Amino acid sequence: KAGVTQTPRYLIKTRGQQVTLSCSPISGHRSVSWYQQTPGQGLQFLFEYFSETQRNKGNFPGRFSGRQFSNSRSEMNVSTLELGDSALYLCASSFTSGGSSGNTIYFGEGSWLTVV
Amino acid sequence: GENVEQHPSTLSVQEGDSAVIKCTYSDSASNYFPWYKQELGKGPQLIIDIRSNVGEKKDQRIAVTLNKTAKHFSLHITETQPEDSAVYFCAASIGSGGSNYKLTFGKGTLLTVNP
Repeated sequence: KAGVTQTPRYLIKTRGQQVTLSCSPISGHRSVSWYQQTPGQGLQFLFEYFSETQRNKGNFPGRFSGRQFSNSRSEMNVSTLELGDSALYLCASSFTSGGSSGNTIYFGEGSWLTVV
Repeated sequence: GENVEQHPSTLSVQEGDSAVIKCTYSDSASNYFPWYKQELGKGPQLIIDIRSNVGEKKDQRIAVTLNKTAKHFSLHITETQPEDSAVYFCAASIGSGGSNYKLTFGKGTLLTVNP
């Protein structure tokens, strides 16, 4: 069974540009969440989608947005990039069935974004 | 919101020794506590998790304990091996019904196992 797949793995952008990151969850998983990881702030929750609806959102500015498609694949977008947006962006998926094992969360390898 | 404290930030042990990493959380409504291992250049890998209706869970050399009254949980690794060297993160989340959970992470522990 394939894991969570993120593309691209590495990218370099210039300040002011925008970027779109893609995530394919584990087959059958309907929930996708995004996290930002930096040395200073650690792992921070960005937002979570289930059935194409954003259910939770972290404390990030409106420049950070996301969406989920009907096949559960998700994208996140960062507009007007700043140097401080340089980070590892991680996608995670889970299968929410309502059962006791429905909330195990699995992460992808991440997308390394460098803003110059 | 939830706050998770993790200690120690670095831990160095000799191969074969045990390692213990401790976390405390602030929100008594948290009911799911996973542990992740992250190797350099990779995403976090789930190694074990525990839910609030269980006090202890083991998986081979790894065990996690949970004390809901004190709001702390710990990761225990026995017979450590060099390949256990990595950064370990604890997390806590609140969930209801079948909803997915927002994970709040600790700052991580860099574990080094010396041969």
